[in-house]
Amino acid sequence: DTAVSQTPKYLVTQMGNDKSIKCEQNLGHDTMYWYKQDSKKFLKIMFSYNNKELIINETVPNRFSPKSPDKAHLNLHINSLELGDSAVYFCASRELGGGHGELFFGEGSRLTVL
Amino acid sequence: EDQVTQSPEALRLQEGESSSLNCSYTVSGLRGLFWYRQDPGKGPEFLFTLYSAGEEKEKERLKATLTKKESFLHITAPKPEDSATYLCAVTSGSARQLTFGSGTQLTVLP
Repeated sequence: DTAVSQTPKYLVTQMGNDKSIKCEQNLGHDTMYWYKQDSKKFLKIMFSYNNKELIINETVPNRFSPKSPDKAHLNLHINSLELGDSAVYFCASRELGGGHGELFFGEGSRLTVL
Repeated sequence: EDQVTQSPEALRLQEGESSSLNCSYTVSGLRGLFWYRQDPGKGPEFLFTLYSAGEEKEKERLKATLTKKESFLHITAPKPEDSATYLCAVTSGSARQLTFGSGTQLTVLP
């Protein structure tokens, strides 16, 4: 059973399009995250939700909008895609009370903007 | 702002050749230092948490240690299956979310 699952795994699209990435976790965790990993392998946090409530919103263009319909799901919608949005996007989760650094990551969604 | 620097960027070892990876950090009040392993095409997998200088954690051939300025991930007698990118991250009093380094890509040759 996959603990944190993301779809799609690969996404190739044109500049200016809108796309979404979905994430689901079956671990019963309360906190979920979106991270972006660039070509140099740096992982940077984008958003964090705790039980459907946004608690961290790093300096991310407002073209990126997270949505959490329930505490097991955190989706990422991106409007007007730009070349610089090309990266691997990871969803992650942790349990409430768990160490802030002990995260469970999905396998990533590689976004390529042409 | 928290900063994490990992070295070397890449490391090639022969099977059985022990070595260490370095993670140096600059934070305002360390809350925790974390090691992750990332295989190609996969998400990072949590390995260890270290909270205070002098602390050590072990798992199979891996041993993580922590000082006030850096952490080491020692790999003893590595095997090809240890090949991966090893990521270091910190949380601090001023930033509860993880700040990651760029990783060390380890290749262990048979």
